[in-house]
Amino acid sequence: QKEVEQNSGPLSVPEGAIASLNCTYSDRGSQSFFWYRQYSGKSPELIMSIYSNGDKEDGRFTAQLNKASQYVSLLIRDSQPSDSATYLCAVRGGATNKLIFGTGTLLAVQP
Amino acid sequence: GAVVSQHPSRVICKSGTSVKIECRSLDFQATTMFWYRQFPKKSLMLMATSNEGSKATYEQGVEKDKFLINHASLTLSTLTVTSAHPEDSSFYICSATRDSYYEQYFGPGTRLTVT
Repeated sequence: QKEVEQNSGPLSVPEGAIASLNCTYSDRGSQSFFWYRQYSGKSPELIMSIYSNGDKEDGRFTAQLNKASQYVSLLIRDSQPSDSATYLCAVRGGATNKLIFGTGTLLAVQP
Repeated sequence: GAVVSQHPSRVICKSGTSVKIECRSLDFQATTMFWYRQFPKKSLMLMATSNEGSKATYEQGVEKDKFLINHASLTLSTLTVTSAHPEDSSFYICSATRDSYYEQYFGPGTRLTVT
């Protein structure tokens, strides 16, 4: 089992819709969870961080964490074509300062 | 903000030469910096973790004598690819963090091509 799993996609949504990106992780001791956006040929950009169960909202983005289910998600409201990118889920394990990345989900927002 | 710069953004070198890549945190002091490489359409692969003033910790399978890392100050880390070969061609990205248990901020990356 991979440590951090994401559906590779592509996830295609129409402009204005809600995009839902999901991620599961295997280390129950994980403490910190991050979503990064990566445009093709560019480096990752931090979108959201979340550390406790529940929802965290920042503008059009909402991160959701459920430690019992070992599940973290990212919702993007009012999706725009400029949101089209690969979204990387990253998890920091309980006993390390290293980030474990998923392989990313490619999101395509159709105008 | 948390801005991390990398230089150069792109470099082409001949096989057998060495290349140095700089990573700087511009508006914060980075206790820890990380070096990654990424192949096309693949996820990030952590190469090493670097703490200011101490030796870098390399991931399994990463040759420390080939990828020399120096973290001389709280705002600068360097990665030197020694005796580069075509298989070293990749996208190298650094990240920096104020506190290693919180957010990592990535530099823009350096695209290395070895001919």
